Amino acid sequence: KAGVTQTPRYLIKTRGQQVTLSCSPISGHRSVSWYQQTPGQGLQFLFEYFSETQRNKGNFPGRFSGRQFSNSRSEMNVSTLELGDSALYLCASSLDRRQYEQYFGPGTRLTVT
Amino acid sequence: GQQLNQSPQSMFIQEGEDVSMNCTSSSIFNTWLWYKQDPGEGPVLLIALYKAGELTSNGRLTAQFGITRKDSFLNISASIPSDVGIYFCAGQLGDNFNKFYFGSGTKLNVKP
Repeated sequence: KAGVTQTPRYLIKTRGQQVTLSCSPISGHRSVSWYQQTPGQGLQFLFEYFSETQRNKGNFPGRFSGRQFSNSRSEMNVSTLELGDSALYLCASSLDRRQYEQYFGPGTRLTVT
Repeated sequence: GQQLNQSPQSMFIQEGEDVSMNCTSSSIFNTWLWYKQDPGEGPVLLIALYKAGELTSNGRLTAQFGITRKDSFLNISASIPSDVGIYFCAGQLGDNFNKFYFGSGTKLNVKP
């Protein structure tokens, strides 16, 4: 079974721009979660989607948004990029049938200049 | 937000030694997951724990779900150079939602 895939793997953007990251979960997994990882703050939960609905949300500003499609693929968008948004963005998927093991993708390394 | 205190922050050990690390919290968790992350990659799931007191092994790795449900432990026996990496614990508070809180990680260095 293919693992979680994320595209692109690396991205360089300028302050003020917006960016869209994509995540394809493991086949059959319906829950997709997004995390931001930085050296200073560690792994922080952004949001979780299930059946095209945002079910959980972390403490991030409204510039961070996401969506999920009917095939469970998910995208996250960051608008008006700031330098502090530079991070590794990780996507994780799970079956969500009382087994909450989350499987991570390789991440997208976003650098904001 | 919830805080998971993971310790130690880093470890320098000799190949062949055993390793222990743990995560504690003031909150009660329903699920504990342990991950290993290599540089530039996503975390890889090592062990999942669902019941208080549960002890689960995966090769040389053994993890336990604390009986108070506020802590978890990971042990690695007979460490080898490829064990180098950052180990994270993750805890889930609610029963129905995939919201996990992560520890700050334990960086493991193994000298051959």
